[in-house]
Amino acid sequence: GAGVSQTPSNKVTEKGKYVELRCDPISGHTALYWYRQSLGQGPEFLIYFQGTGAADDSGLPNDRFFAVRPEGSVSTLKIQRTERGDSAVYLCASSWGGGATDTQYFGPGTRLTVL
Amino acid sequence: GDSVTQMEGPVTLSEEAFLTINCTYTATGYPSLFWYVQYPGEGLQLLLKATKADDKGSNKGFEATYRKETTSFHLEKGSVQVSDSAVYFCALRSGGSNYKLTFGKGTLLTVNP
Repeated sequence: GAGVSQTPSNKVTEKGKYVELRCDPISGHTALYWYRQSLGQGPEFLIYFQGTGAADDSGLPNDRFFAVRPEGSVSTLKIQRTERGDSAVYLCASSWGGGATDTQYFGPGTRLTVL
Repeated sequence: GDSVTQMEGPVTLSEEAFLTINCTYTATGYPSLFWYVQYPGEGLQLLLKATKADDKGSNKGFEATYRKETTSFHLEKGSVQVSDSAVYFCALRSGGSNYKLTFGKGTLLTVNP
């Protein structure tokens, strides 16, 4: 079946612009996660959704970052007033539930470059 | 807080060589431990996992044993193949927030024919 998909695969923007990154989870998965992977680093947690609500947004670096999941499926990560330091690969993952035994399945990521 | 330390790369081996990638962790409680792999141009994939002390995870010839006494989860494979060339990430999920994965920095493995 279809895995987690993310669009766009690459996004180049200018400093100060607004961007939206989209994630389509595996059908039926109630849990959705966003991670950010900077060059040479492992992924870092940003936010976790259970259904439509953000159960934990403690990893969002500041208030320029926001994510939604209005119907409990597709999620959009929104970044306002982008900065060069926001350049990274943004990964989305989904799992059946949010429990400790649930495997997280990752999408291919969106590479964001802020010029 | 939770953290994962894995051996620095890159690691370059010849085909059929023995592989070890070290991973140690710091976590509250009793975490679950994972190895993820990222092949070139692909997303992260779960390679194996272990959820309690002394458990051994295994998949595709790779193994790792959850060692609570040394807080380690080293990845091993007896005979690597060119197709194993990838970036390997050690990760944990702790009981306090058991939905959140904490990753190491990753180790790039290149296997030459």
